[in-house]
Amino acid sequence: KQEVTQIPAALSVPEGENLVLNCSFTDSAIYNLQWFRQDPGKGLTSLLLIQSSQREQTSGRLNASLDKSSGRSTLYIAASQPGDSATYLCAVAPNNAGNMLTFGGGTRLMVKP
Amino acid sequence: KAGVTQTPRYLIKTRGQQVTLSCSPISGHRSVSWYQQTPGQGLQFLFEYFSETQRNKGNFPGRFSGRQFSNSRSEMNVSTLELGDSALYLCASSLGTSYSLANKNIQYFGAGTRLSVL
Repeated sequence: KQEVTQIPAALSVPEGENLVLNCSFTDSAIYNLQWFRQDPGKGLTSLLLIQSSQREQTSGRLNASLDKSSGRSTLYIAASQPGDSATYLCAVAPNNAGNMLTFGGGTRLMVKP
Repeated sequence: KAGVTQTPRYLIKTRGQQVTLSCSPISGHRSVSWYQQTPGQGLQFLFEYFSETQRNKGNFPGRFSGRQFSNSRSEMNVSTLELGDSALYLCASSLGTSYSLANKNIQYFGAGTRLSVL
């Protein structure tokens, strides 16, 4: 059974800092990995999707990497801003069903002005 | 383009009742997935529908069921509600695996339906 772990569970940083969020998964046979953002009381917003054959994806100040063999992904946020404050979730899809996601517990990020 | 719409946004029910939640996917999306989010268990996959067929099912009891209509809209039903069913229920849509696009599996989530069982 796939298990996804995110460390740390919570993180507080001053504005402008670069930061790294970690995600690990137990079964390397994944189809893709996605990073999401969730604001309090709201749904999820997809940030980046990395196919199993890719090593990284970039969108603006966000960069996500994937090391399938070691079961790890990182989300790098450059020059953090107060608007980045949210819960960040990673999720993996298994090989045989592209849309059945297993989520990590999330990292709650607070960026202080 | 309109996003994923879930109705109602809030529901209060009592134990033993049943409830139906609705999800309208993004136009053109054929895959709809449902998730349950609770503080204790986090986000858990319920089921996925593609072209009116249930393609995957998570580890939930048979009280949880769903369906998808020909216009891709989906409903999920929970019968004989229990206190532990109180949660945020999220629906997500995606293009679906019939497409060869790289972004076909990006899932777009609705704002969710918050169900409280008293």
